[in-house]
Amino acid sequence: EVHLLESGGGLVQPGGSLRLSCAASGFTFSNHDMHWVRQALGKGLEWVSGISGSGDITYQPDSVKGRFTISRDNSKNTLFLQMNGLRAEATAVYYCARAAPGEGARFDYWGQGILVTVSS
Amino acid sequence: DIVMTQSPATLSVSPGERATLSCRASQSVSSKLAWYQQKPGQAPRLLISGASARATGIPARFSGSGSGTEFTLTISSLQSEDFAVYYCQQYIKWPLTFGGGTKVEI
Repeated sequence: EVHLLESGGGLVQPGGSLRLSCAASGFTFSNHDMHWVRQALGKGLEWVSGISGSGDITYQPDSVKGRFTISRDNSKNTLFLQMNGLRAEATAVYYCARAAPGEGARFDYWGQGILVTVSS
Repeated sequence: DIVMTQSPATLSVSPGERATLSCRASQSVSSKLAWYQQKPGQAPRLLISGASARATGIPARFSGSGSGTEFTLTISSLQSEDFAVYYCQQYIKWPLTFGGGTKVEI
């Protein structure tokens, strides 16, 4: 059974940093691109970052480029999101999500999400 | 960026009725369109990819159609467990973008 478990969330001050982790199990981790998607409370979904299965290609929207870094450790089946220079608008539930097999980044498995709160 | 627009924002339907949700893209996404269902306090669940292919385990009452810029998710006969928020997502071009969601309520 596929399982994704996020950790590392919490309260951080504006301008601070946080590193999220996502532990994966139940599938061959290195065979799948992985992504982070966030959702502000009561709002819609926003894609944050993606990374290829091998880890050599990353994808990000302009809104987080230069501040967020996605990475992975395939030996430990773990996905990471390093978030620097956090702003209040980054407050959200962050989900890790697996890209479905085949062409195109759609997400067939999601973690339960982890809350990140940026506030002084 | 490709803007995804969903309508209506809220859809009020009775159990057993048919629900039709729309998603429009600001430019063609071909068939690179996915639909998700999200219930309160839960992660989204993939329903449809490739505009019309049901994901594993998704009941046949869910169907997707469309291509290019206009897409539809149809729930043929609403069950109590179908009341949720539905999102569309394009994956033809970076950045990936989602629609704002349609809430299906009783």
